[in-house]
Amino acid sequence: KQEVTQIPAALSVPEGENLVLNCSFTDSAIYNLQWFRQDPGKGLTSLLLIQSSQREQTSGRLNASLDKSSGRSTLYIAASQPGDSATYLCAVKEYGNKLVFGAGTILRVKS
Amino acid sequence: EAQVTQNPRYLITVTGKKLTVTCSQNMNHEYMSWYRQDPGLGLRQIYYSMNVEVTDKGDVPEGYKVSRKEKRNFPLILESPSPNQTSLYFCASNSGQGYTGELFFGEGSRLTVL
Repeated sequence: KQEVTQIPAALSVPEGENLVLNCSFTDSAIYNLQWFRQDPGKGLTSLLLIQSSQREQTSGRLNASLDKSSGRSTLYIAASQPGDSATYLCAVKEYGNKLVFGAGTILRVKS
Repeated sequence: EAQVTQNPRYLITVTGKKLTVTCSQNMNHEYMSWYRQDPGLGLRQIYYSMNVEVTDKGDVPEGYKVSRKEKRNFPLILESPSPNQTSLYFCASNSGQGYTGELFFGEGSRLTVL
């Protein structure tokens, strides 16, 4: 059974720092991996989608990488801002079309 | 505007009283799915549908039903709700060919079963 783990569970950094969030998964038979952001009481917003054949995706200050063989993905946030404070979730889409989420990393960026 | 719309956003009900949470998307997506989010357990998939009249169980389908009679709608039905179904529910739809595209989520429906 696919298991997705996110480390750290929580992170507090000063504004301006570059940071890395980690996501690992146990079964490499995936279509893709997606990173989401969730603000308190809100739905999930897609940040980056990496297909299984890709190594990385970039959007603005965000860069996500995927190493399917080792079952790892990282989300890199450059020059963090207080507005980046949120919960970040990763999810893998399995070959059976199921989607499995990690528990998330709660990020707080202090001004 | 591309969106996934859920209703109701908030609902308090009592044990055993049937309820339906509606979900509608305006993006002509084939793949739709339902999730529940609970503290300490994260997001778990309840059911998903790859097209009209095609549905399948996710990880936690017990106590729920779904139907997909039209492409845009994917309601979640709780025939006899119980307190352990108190949760935050999300509907999502999927872009792209082969169901491998970006996932779009609704705003969520917070359900309390007394």
